[in-house]
Amino acid sequence: KAGVTQTPRYLIKTRGQQVTLSCSPISGHRSVSWYQQTPGQGLQFLFEYFSETQRNKGNFPGRFSGRQFSNSRSEMNVSTLELGDSALYLCASSGTGIVRETQYFGPGTRLLVL
Amino acid sequence: GENVEQHPSTLSVQEGDSAVIKCTYSDSASNYFPWYKQELGKGPQLIIDIRSNVGEKKDQRIAVTLNKTAKHFSLHITETQPEDSAVYFCAASGTGNQFYFGTGTSLTVIP
Repeated sequence: KAGVTQTPRYLIKTRGQQVTLSCSPISGHRSVSWYQQTPGQGLQFLFEYFSETQRNKGNFPGRFSGRQFSNSRSEMNVSTLELGDSALYLCASSGTGIVRETQYFGPGTRLLVL
Repeated sequence: GENVEQHPSTLSVQEGDSAVIKCTYSDSASNYFPWYKQELGKGPQLIIDIRSNVGEKKDQRIAVTLNKTAKHFSLHITETQPEDSAVYFCAASGTGNQFYFGTGTSLTVIP
């Protein structure tokens, strides 16, 4: 079974621009969560989608948004990029959407904001 | 919300020795505790997990113990090998599928 895939793997943007990242979960998985990983803050939860609905949200500003499609693929968008948004963005998928279920991570998208 | 603390932040061991990483959590409602290994340039990979109805779980050279009363859990790696070198993260479940992660332990196994 193929794992979680994320595209693109690397991205360079400038301040003020917006960016869209994509995540394809493991086949059959319906829940997708997004995390931001930085050296200073570690892994921080952004939001989770299940069956095209945002089920849970972390403490990030409204510039961070996401959506999920009917095939469970998910995208996250960051508008008006700031230097501090430079990070590794990870998505994780889990199977049936039961809470507190094992999550499997993708390789991440490394975003650099200049 | 949940707060997860992880120690030590760095750990060096000789090949063949054991390594222990410890985590504490604050929310007694947390009931699922996965451990992840992250190698350079890759996403975190699940290596072992434990639920609160179990005190210990073992998978070959890796074991996890959980003390619900004290709210701490530990990762034990025996007979370490150079390929065990990586960053290890503990996590605790929060609301829904939100997980709270420790700050990571960089493990170096010296051949």
